[in-house]
Amino acid sequence: DTAVSQTPKYLVTQMGNDKSIKCEQNLGHDTMYWYKQDSKKFLKIMFSYNNKELIINETVPNRFSPKSPDKAHLNLHINSLELGDSAVYFCASSPYLAALGNEQFFGPGTRLTVL
Amino acid sequence: AQKITQTQPGMFVQEKEAVTLDCTYDTSDQSYGLFWYKQPSSGEMIFLIYQGSYDEQNATEGRYSLNFQKARKSANLVISASQLGDSAMYFCAMRDAYSGAGSYQLTFGKGTKLSVIP
Repeated sequence: DTAVSQTPKYLVTQMGNDKSIKCEQNLGHDTMYWYKQDSKKFLKIMFSYNNKELIINETVPNRFSPKSPDKAHLNLHINSLELGDSAVYFCASSPYLAALGNEQFFGPGTRLTVL
Repeated sequence: AQKITQTQPGMFVQEKEAVTLDCTYDTSDQSYGLFWYKQPSSGEMIFLIYQGSYDEQNATEGRYSLNFQKARKSANLVISASQLGDSAMYFCAMRDAYSGAGSYQLTFGKGTKLSVIP
């Protein structure tokens, strides 16, 4: 059973389009995250979300918006895609936001290519 | 200021030898956690090992151990008896009360690419 799953695995689209990436976790975790990994492999937090609070990294453009229909899902919606949005996007989850030792479980990643 | 520094962009190690991957960190918090993740060429992120700032002993998980030197703010990963399957990117990460977007986020270093030579 996959713990954290993402769809699609690959996404190729044109500049200016709107797209969504879906994420689901079956671990019963409280908190989910989105990370962006750029072409140099640098991983950066974009959002963290639990059922009480959305925390947004201030460097994330407002074209990016997380949407959570329920505790097990955190989808990433991107408006007006730009070339610089090309990256691998990882979803992750952990049991509790404020517990320092909680491991984050990562999804397989979605490789987004904007043409 | 960079919070996690991995100074080795790439490393080579002979199969069956041990290798140390360096990681230094910066935080003003007394309570924090340090993590290592492995990312093979297939792309997934695999958790390896965790060290809490108050843990008195160095963490170990199988062939992985964490050489934690709190005064030096270093948390080096030691892989013993390297295997070909250890070839991957390795990321050091920290979680403290002041990371990135709000509290308790994981902040990652830039990674070290380890290549194991047969």
